Amino acid sequence: AQTVTQSQPEMSVQEAETVTLSCTYDTSESDYYLFWYKQPPSRQMILVIRQEAYKQQNATENRFSVNFQKAAKSFSLKISDSQLGDAAMYFCAYRSGGGSRLTFGEGTQLTVNP
Amino acid sequence: NAGVTQTPKFRVLKTGQSMTLLCAQDMNHEYMYWYRQDPGMGLRLIHYSVGEGTTAKGEVPDGYNVSRLKKQNFLLGLESAAPSQTSVYFCASSYSIMEGQRNQPQHFGDGTRLSIL
Repeated sequence: AQTVTQSQPEMSVQEAETVTLSCTYDTSESDYYLFWYKQPPSRQMILVIRQEAYKQQNATENRFSVNFQKAAKSFSLKISDSQLGDAAMYFCAYRSGGGSRLTFGEGTQLTVNP
Repeated sequence: NAGVTQTPKFRVLKTGQSMTLLCAQDMNHEYMYWYRQDPGMGLRLIHYSVGEGTTAKGEVPDGYNVSRLKKQNFLLGLESAAPSQTSVYFCASSYSIMEGQRNQPQHFGDGTRLSIL
């Protein structure tokens, strides 16, 4: 079974600075997808960014980018120019290429200090 | 755009009571899921469905039942609620991987906070 580990329960960053959230996963598959979801205090689950394992290029969405290291099974999220609205719980998630089920990490609570 | 709608948003139950959580999606998604979220544990899959009339067990199915009588609805039932089922419950939906939508994410409802005394 696949596992996803987020080793940082809490992180903090100053407004306008850059922060990186870590995620590692364990799988024997070569075809899979990785996601980062954001959960603000409103409890909504909001997709931040996705990465297909077959793509070597790291995904980018505006201020959000990933560092996907397939051999190391690492999938970190970098938030540039942090804003107060980025404060949230962030979840890393794995999905097998041939399946639909998501496996989530434990989450990282991000605080943005003004 | 409604997306995924969960009913109710909050509920308090006594041990032994039963209840049903309703999830409705208007995106014509084939797949639907129920998760529970507990502190320090992320989201864990309870049950899921890959189409109308089908259901399957996830990671933590004990104490729950589900039904998918209509494509747009997915019901989660607690027959005899226990304090260990106090949690936040999320419903999600997604396209079928057979529809050429393999990279599409799951879409989530806003969650139901359930407390069992």
